[in-house]
Amino acid sequence: QVQLVQSGAEVRKPGASVKVSCKASGYTFTSYYIHWLRQAPGQGLEWMGIINPNGGSTDYAQKFQGRLTLTSDTSTSTVYMELRSLRSEDTAVFYCARVEYCSSTSCLLGAFGIWGQGTMVTVSS
Amino acid sequence: DIVMTQSPDSLAVSLGERATINCKSSQSVLYSSNNKNNLAWYQQKPGQPPKLLIYWASTRESGVPDRFSGSGSGTDFTLTISSLQAEDVAVYYCQQFYSSPGTFGGGTKVEIK
Repeated sequence: QVQLVQSGAEVRKPGASVKVSCKASGYTFTSYYIHWLRQAPGQGLEWMGIINPNGGSTDYAQKFQGRLTLTSDTSTSTVYMELRSLRSEDTAVFYCARVEYCSSTSCLLGAFGIWGQGTMVTVSS
Repeated sequence: DIVMTQSPDSLAVSLGERATINCKSSQSVLYSSNNKNNLAWYQQKPGQPPKLLIYWASTRESGVPDRFSGSGSGTDFTLTISSLQAEDVAVYYCQQFYSSPGTFGGGTKVEIK
């Protein structure tokens, strides 16, 4: 079955970086964009960025520009999310997700039908 | 960015009763060329990722019980749980996918009265 499996929880100090992985299975990896979203404790969902595993092109939310890098490895069907210069406000659960139903104009956007299980990242001194 | 506003923030409903959640977008998410509202609803239980319930504002995802229904068009949308079950206790989110970035409402927590 189609799955996205993420790496485990991380703890970092302020100013450090974190790299979270998202391994895809059950479908052709290069056929679907992968999005990253985050959810701070008790808060809502925030879109961070998108990567096209076929070629590696990316787009990031403005608030993460310069701190966020998404990469992909087609040999292992894995996408990586690296967030740098961490601060306490970055403490959150990070999710990778795949669009299942495309928007009316593009599959860059859509309803997310497949989600990773989430990775908790705690930033604390 | 399109702002999604949900109401209420929380509601308590008796088992078997109806629960209604509202979602309003700051601009229309109806794409006129295909007459589709680019709006989805998700259910999230503690410790789990969101689960897609409804897309195109009113199309139920496969496997979702028919007590869940979505309605509305343009800027105003509603998720209705016709007969609340214990397993429906969760936070519900709406999301627009009309324009990037796809944005979510703040969530509505549904509890048992």
